[in-house]
Amino acid sequence: GESVGLHLPTLSVQEGDNSIINCAYSNSASDYFIWYKQESGKGPQFIIDIRSNMDKRQGQRVTVLLNKTVKHLSLQIAATQPGDSAVYFCAEIDMGRRALTFGSGTRLQVQP
Amino acid sequence: GAVVSQHPSRVICKSGTSVKIECRSLDFQATTMFWYRQFPKKSLMLMATSNEGSKATYEQGVEKDKFLINHASLTLSTLTVTSAHPEDSSFYICSATTGSGGSNQPQHFGDGTRLSIL
Repeated sequence: GESVGLHLPTLSVQEGDNSIINCAYSNSASDYFIWYKQESGKGPQFIIDIRSNMDKRQGQRVTVLLNKTVKHLSLQIAATQPGDSAVYFCAEIDMGRRALTFGSGTRLQVQP
Repeated sequence: GAVVSQHPSRVICKSGTSVKIECRSLDFQATTMFWYRQFPKKSLMLMATSNEGSKATYEQGVEKDKFLINHASLTLSTLTVTSAHPEDSSFYICSATTGSGGSNQPQHFGDGTRLSIL
């Protein structure tokens, strides 16, 4: 079936380093992707999104890259801070239903 | 902007009790609201999609009679877990969007409700 998944379950980085979180998706018809950050005991927080007609989009300290050829999505966080520690989910949206399909999540641990 | 409030944040009750969870969009009108369930250290799984004024659309495997959803207004949706049992214990999260069909308007999430059934 269709799925959205992540390569790494846990990523540990030093404060100040750049972080890269990866995600693979299988539905080639997906045309909208979102990265969410979830802190413990809270709901997902929108970080950045990208349409399938783009291959890169930048936000504040974050960049999302989309490679449709290999169906791969990544989130880059520059100068990672302790406050970035959380679980990060990629999600694909089914444009017909507007329903999100979430990946399995990557825990980012930032070491001071 | 785009704040979604969920209440209660945590509830503990006895087996057999029915529990109602509210999801409110505080500063926007939500055309569609979604209900998710999340097990510890797992991803979010969509339970149902709720459109204001119409019946909810449930995902395969989700019991309609167990999880009653009401979306009576553009700012409020409720999820009632009927006759809850320990296996219903989970983290329930709602989201809301202003998007209409085919739109890519972001979903804004509440902070979830931790349900524990004893």
